Amino acid sequence: DAGVIQSPRHEVTEMGQEVTLRCKPISGHNSLFWYRQTMMRGLELLIYFNNNVPIDDSGMPEDRFSAKMPNASFSTLKIQPSEPRDSAVYFCASSRTSGGLDTQYFGPGTRLTVL
Amino acid sequence: AQSVTQPDIHITVSEGASLELRCNYSYGATPYLFWYVQSPGQGLQLLLKYFSGDTLVQGIKGFEAEFKRSQSSFNLRKPSVHWSDAAEYFCAVGAGGGADGLTFGKGTHLIIQP
Repeated sequence: DAGVIQSPRHEVTEMGQEVTLRCKPISGHNSLFWYRQTMMRGLELLIYFNNNVPIDDSGMPEDRFSAKMPNASFSTLKIQPSEPRDSAVYFCASSRTSGGLDTQYFGPGTRLTVL
Repeated sequence: AQSVTQPDIHITVSEGASLELRCNYSYGATPYLFWYVQSPGQGLQLLLKYFSGDTLVQGIKGFEAEFKRSQSSFNLRKPSVHWSDAAEYFCAVGAGGGADGLTFGKGTHLIIQP
């Protein structure tokens, strides 16, 4: 299995630009999670989906952030407009079951730098 | 709301020495607890997890952790560390055991001295 795939691995953009991060979960996994990692705040859950449906988006910092999961094999996290404080590593993770007891598998992350 | 505290930001251990990384959690019900490891520039890899049953959990790479409800702790241990164990270690708690989002501690950076 290829594991969770994230693209791009690195993104450098200027303030005000739109940024789209992409994630392909492990095939057969029903739950998908987006996390953000910064030095100040550590790892924070942004949003998660079960069976392509957003379940909890309370961690999304503000309206500039949006996430979609149009099908079981693809999700996007979009920031529009981006700001320097959005600079972080963004991780996507997936797990097999919803409502069950299973491991979250993490992708390699996307390092975002907003200038 | 659940929370996780890892009181040690950095720990330095000599190669071959034993290791214990501390983790305390706050959660109203029976917690689901995890330890993940992150090598530089990499994603997180699960070391072990506790859901129920035996409070001493064995994981990969020779790690183990013990759940102590009375102390709200889930400390990670290894009897003899190797230079390759140098990494960032994260303790996490989840309500749904992996199907819901996890709450992570701030992490402990492990440095191995030769």
